[in-house]
Amino acid sequence: AQTVTQSQPEMSVQEAETVTLSCTYDTSESNYYLFWYKQPPSRQMILVIRQEAYKQQNATENRFSVNFQKAAKSFSLKISDSQLGDTAMYFCAFMNQGAQKLVFGQGTRLTINP
Amino acid sequence: DAGVIQSPRHEVTEMGQEVTLRCKPISGHDYLFWYRQTMMRGLELLIYFNNNVPIDDSGMPEDRFSAKMPNASFSTLKIQPSEPRDSAVYFCASADGVSSGNTIYFGEGSWLTVV
Repeated sequence: AQTVTQSQPEMSVQEAETVTLSCTYDTSESNYYLFWYKQPPSRQMILVIRQEAYKQQNATENRFSVNFQKAAKSFSLKISDSQLGDTAMYFCAFMNQGAQKLVFGQGTRLTINP
Repeated sequence: DAGVIQSPRHEVTEMGQEVTLRCKPISGHDYLFWYRQTMMRGLELLIYFNNNVPIDDSGMPEDRFSAKMPNASFSTLKIQPSEPRDSAVYFCASADGVSSGNTIYFGEGSWLTVV
């Protein structure tokens, strides 16, 4: 079974700093998808960024980028120029190709301080 | 465009009562998911549907839980009878599953408290 591990339960940085959230996963499959979701205090799950395993290029969405290391099964999220509105729980998630089931990590609570 | 719509947003009920959570997926999406989020277990997939047909209900905790999708625009998750350990946030989500790996869009969740 696939598992997703987020080793940092909580992180805190100052506004405008750069922060990196870690995620590792375990799978025997070669084709899959990885996601980062953000859950602000409102509780809604919001997609931040998505990566296809067959693409070597790291995905980027404005201030958010990933460092995808397929051999190491690592998928970290970098937030540049952090803003107060980035304060949220961040969940790393995995989906096998051909499946529609998302497997989530336990989450990292990120606080951006003014 | 409207996202996934869930109701109620919050519900407090007494143990033993029936609870019904409702979901309207994004129009055109052929996959619908029910997730549960608790502090202890994180986010768990309970059940998902494809074209209104339940595909995998292995995450449904027990017979007290049931889910239906009578048409493409509506689904319910029912708990009968409810117990305090069912207290959680229940998310409905939908996806356009034409190609695998498509984004799954979540609703705002239904926060259930069973006392």
